[in-house]
Amino acid sequence: GAVVSQHPSWVICKSGTSVKIECRSLDFQATTMFWYRQFPKQSLMLMATSNEGSKATYEQGVEKDKFLINHASLTLSTLTVTSAHPEDSSFYICSARDIGVSGINQPQHFGDGTRLSIL
Amino acid sequence: DAKTTQPPSMDCAEGRAANLPCNHSTISGNEYVYWYRQIHSQGPQYIIHGLKNNETNEMASLIITEDRKSSTLILPHATLRDTAVYYCIVLILLNQFYFGTGTSLTVIP
Repeated sequence: GAVVSQHPSWVICKSGTSVKIECRSLDFQATTMFWYRQFPKQSLMLMATSNEGSKATYEQGVEKDKFLINHASLTLSTLTVTSAHPEDSSFYICSARDIGVSGINQPQHFGDGTRLSIL
Repeated sequence: DAKTTQPPSMDCAEGRAANLPCNHSTISGNEYVYWYRQIHSQGPQYIIHGLKNNETNEMASLIITEDRKSSTLILPHATLRDTAVYYCIVLILLNQFYFGTGTSLTVIP
């Protein structure tokens, strides 16, 4: 089945540093990937839609200059948390849909997430 | 923005069927219903999806009411590994998923 890989799975860093998270579709191509954030005991919250070759679309209330998204190829999207602070600590998850499978109803495939801890 | 309502939690005895309900009364005619589950500290796992007909796969069955305002996910023989948070999602514009609060299913030995 379709596999989405995230890297790293866990990162701890100091306040003020920038952290890059990668999301790869391993066996399929995706023109669109999605980034979510999840706080403890809460549901997933959609942050942005990553579009290959164009600018990402951010949800209301998500700072685009804080969360930089790049989708340079059909198999890779990156999320960079710039100047991270403790309140950015969260579980970040990406998803993608296989463009090779016809029909807008095809399911999204999720990565296993990246746990970000800012000290 | 979630268009679904689910009970916050449910228990199910191991080996019995788990029936997880979901209300989506504002669903449009061409919107699909998706079910995912999330085991602690992992990404959501796809289970099943459907439009208006009942669907079955190796993991579960999906029963959608005739008016499409609600659906039920059925795990026919729940095991301890099925303990997870189950999300019912209605696909909105641009393939974006908006997650509701989900149902925390606990399978009891």
